[in-house]
Amino acid sequence: RKEVEQDPGPFNVPEGATVAFNCTYSNSASQSFFWYRQDCRKEPKLLMSVYSSGNEDGRFTAQLNRASQYISLLIRDSKLSDSATYLCVVILTRLHMNYGGSQGNLIFGKGTKLSVKP
Amino acid sequence: GAVVSQHPSWVICKSGTSVKIECRSLDFQATTMFWYRQFPKQSLMLMATSNEGSKATYEQGVEKDKFLINHASLTLSTLTVTSAHPEDSSFYICSAEKYGGTEKLFFGSGTQLSVL
Repeated sequence: RKEVEQDPGPFNVPEGATVAFNCTYSNSASQSFFWYRQDCRKEPKLLMSVYSSGNEDGRFTAQLNRASQYISLLIRDSKLSDSATYLCVVILTRLHMNYGGSQGNLIFGKGTKLSVKP
Repeated sequence: GAVVSQHPSWVICKSGTSVKIECRSLDFQATTMFWYRQFPKQSLMLMATSNEGSKATYEQGVEKDKFLINHASLTLSTLTVTSAHPEDSSFYICSAEKYGGTEKLFFGSGTQLSVL
């Protein structure tokens, strides 16, 4: 099983639609979770962090289910400008033996492509 | 907000040339920086994790002698693609984790490398 899995899409939806993405992770010790948005040939930009209690930012809602090891992103009233690839990111923090600090083991999902059509 | 500067934005070079890409955190200290590669229409792939003052940790399948990483200070990491070949042509992106464990990543704007 891959460490972080996402449905690659593409999701083609009309403007105004509600769309949901899921992401599953295999390591139960994973500690931090994020959704990033990446436009074509640009750097990923942080969309939102994901917490167990769920969090909402405008039209975007993220949820974390630790028991089932998945995170979700819901986009309501989708806009043309929402068209992008959405990356699920999981961070597993572990001790770095050499200097006693912590080191993040960063794992990206492959991304889910969203196309919002007029 | 935190800013990461990546330079150059694009490089075109002949096969066999070595290319250096710089990644700087402009307004914060970054204990950890990450280097990624992204081929067209593919996902971001982590190449290596760079910790200041220690050797980089490379992901499986990434040649450490081919992709030299130097993280000499808390604000600068460099990736050198040695003896570049056309198959190394890709989009390379760095990111930095802000010291203090925010666990948020700040990305550079990427470098498009084209090897002729």
